[in-house]
Amino acid sequence: AQSVTQLDSQVPVFEEAPVELRCNYSSSVSVYLFWYVQYPNQGLQLLLKYLSGSTLVKGINGFEAEFNKSQTSFHLRKPSVHISDTAEYFCAVSPTNTGNQFYFGTGTSLTVIP
Amino acid sequence: DTGVSQNPRHKITKRGQNVTFRCDPISEHNRLYWYRQTLGQGPEFLTYFQNEAQLEKSRLLSDRFSAERPKGSFSTLEIQRTEQGDSAMYLCASSSQGVGNSPLHFGNGTRLTVT
Repeated sequence: AQSVTQLDSQVPVFEEAPVELRCNYSSSVSVYLFWYVQYPNQGLQLLLKYLSGSTLVKGINGFEAEFNKSQTSFHLRKPSVHISDTAEYFCAVSPTNTGNQFYFGTGTSLTVIP
Repeated sequence: DTGVSQNPRHKITKRGQNVTFRCDPISEHNRLYWYRQTLGQGPEFLTYFQNEAQLEKSRLLSDRFSAERPKGSFSTLEIQRTEQGDSAMYLCASSSQGVGNSPLHFGNGTRLTVT
């Protein structure tokens, strides 16, 4: 079974400050990892994904995430946030042995303060 | 690539009525998923299709819910005898076949309000 934990439900941060959104997962098999962003009244948009290779992956809008297998984590970071980054962020995993099922965390609401 | 399209965007219905939502996936994607999202929660898996075959259904999906993808293209999700607890955002997503290396592409969702 797979589960995803996003420890912070809300993260306020000042504009141009760095931010880290935490994601931990539990799985009996190896997984692929994803971060999605959701703006109000919209669907989810892929930010970045980890499939294999380098554990540091870069995504859109200046975001990056690092896969840590020993800590089963996939934290999302951005060195300097903008007002437009205010949104809900979801971490998701997909088992590598099937690849047809995705499990989402409960989300982190990022609010960028001017 | 016109993206995943969902209609309607909003639906308000009275308890006990039936509703149907439509999803048009990205044309070359053969996998189609339905998720439900309530306030403050992540998407919850409902069901998924590969081409026209419905391969998996969540235990969350009661008998009042049914989904179809008759020709392996668009899909419909019907809820019969709606209840207030059905109020949620219903998200459709599609992907192409390929173990794990094809992420989900989401539509903008249909927001259902049951009064």
